[in-house]
Amino acid sequence: AQSVSQHNHHVILSEAASLELGCNYSYGGTVNLFWYVQYPGQHLQLLLKYFSGDPLVKGIKGFEAEFIKSKFSFNLRKPSVQWSDTAEYFCAVARQGAQKLVFGQGTRLTINP
Amino acid sequence: DVKVTQSSRYLVKRTGEKVFLECVQDMDHENMFWYRQDPGLGLRLIYFSYDVKMKEKGDIPEGYSVSREKKERFSLILESASTNQTSMYLCASSTPSYGYTFGSGTRLTVV
Repeated sequence: AQSVSQHNHHVILSEAASLELGCNYSYGGTVNLFWYVQYPGQHLQLLLKYFSGDPLVKGIKGFEAEFIKSKFSFNLRKPSVQWSDTAEYFCAVARQGAQKLVFGQGTRLTINP
Repeated sequence: DVKVTQSSRYLVKRTGEKVFLECVQDMDHENMFWYRQDPGLGLRLIYFSYDVKMKEKGDIPEGYSVSREKKERFSLILESASTNQTSMYLCASSTPSYGYTFGSGTRLTVV
């Protein structure tokens, strides 16, 4: 069965620091990859997604992610975080052509001003 | 914008009660999903549906059932609520080209 692993459960950074959140998945076939964000008290929102093409994907709010097929990874990055990036971040994977998303455990990001 | 509406933001129910969580989407999406979200466990799929009257079990279906009588509405049913079903429940709808849209969630407390 597919599984998704987010290694960092809670990350604490200061404003302007660089961010990288890890995501690894176990499925060996072709996959679609997603990062979602959940701000405090709000619903899940899509940050970015990868279906095919350029493995470096740019999303909203200055986030990007790189798909490395050989490492089964889809890490999320941001060069300079802001206090407003405080949220929980979820990586998710779906087999290509399937609609069922499998989520990682989530990473709670706290940005100190 | 696609909108997914969950009927209740907060619910408190007693052990043994039958509980209905309702979800409505307004964009004619074929696919609808129910997840529960727990700290440290992420989102886990309970049930999903690809079409009216069609349902498939997800990863944690025990203690739950679903109903999809109309395309826009997908209901999650807790036949006999238990304290271990206290959680945040998230509904979502999707199409292959659009991706997922989530509702705001229902925080259910079973006492």
